[in-house]
Amino acid sequence: GQQLNQSPQSMFIQEGEDVSMNCTSSSIFNTWLWYKQDPGEGPVLLIALYKAGELTSNGRLTAQFGITRKDSFLNISASIPSDVGIYFCAGATGAGSYQLTFGKGTKLSVIP
Amino acid sequence: GAVVSQHPSWVICKSGTSVKIECRSLDFQATTMFWYRQFPKQSLMLMATSNEGSKATYEQGVEKDKFLINHASLTLSTLTVTSAHPEDSSFYICSAAVQGWANTEAFFGQGTRLTVV
Repeated sequence: GQQLNQSPQSMFIQEGEDVSMNCTSSSIFNTWLWYKQDPGEGPVLLIALYKAGELTSNGRLTAQFGITRKDSFLNISASIPSDVGIYFCAGATGAGSYQLTFGKGTKLSVIP
Repeated sequence: GAVVSQHPSWVICKSGTSVKIECRSLDFQATTMFWYRQFPKQSLMLMATSNEGSKATYEQGVEKDKFLINHASLTLSTLTVTSAHPEDSSFYICSAAVQGWANTEAFFGQGTRLTVV
């Protein structure tokens, strides 16, 4: 089946620093989604990408849909303590299917 | 974004009993809902796809008689864990796809923490 490789697995950064994480796949996805999950909660959608090459921002978050449609990255600028959590990438093949394949997550810790 | 509500948020049950978890789309109709299971420090594992008015599609290795799914309306899907055992203890999360939108977006419930004692 399809698999997403998400990296890094975890990261510790100083408050104010920028963060970058990415996902790669051996197969093509037509949609890339980035979610954040807080402990004991369901994932919350941060950014959705629908076109190859698309670059989308949501506040301090920026994500890009790779040209090959096999990768995506998420950047967080000027991190703050509430950015702490687990970030998941997810891909969908589209074509009427809403089924998502998830990466293994990136655990972000922000040191005040 | 669209709101998906999951109930209960947490539940403790005795081994051998059954537990029902509800997933509701509050402000949209969802022909398709998904049920995931998440173990500590791991990613979400898709269990089954729930389609309104038809039988659910289960992923390989997921027992359909163990995890009963009913999607009786466009706003409600239920997951029943039958004859629960301690190894069924986990975090269960549902998601719903927004019907009629051109793009794929899935919104998640807040999850249900199941503990079987």
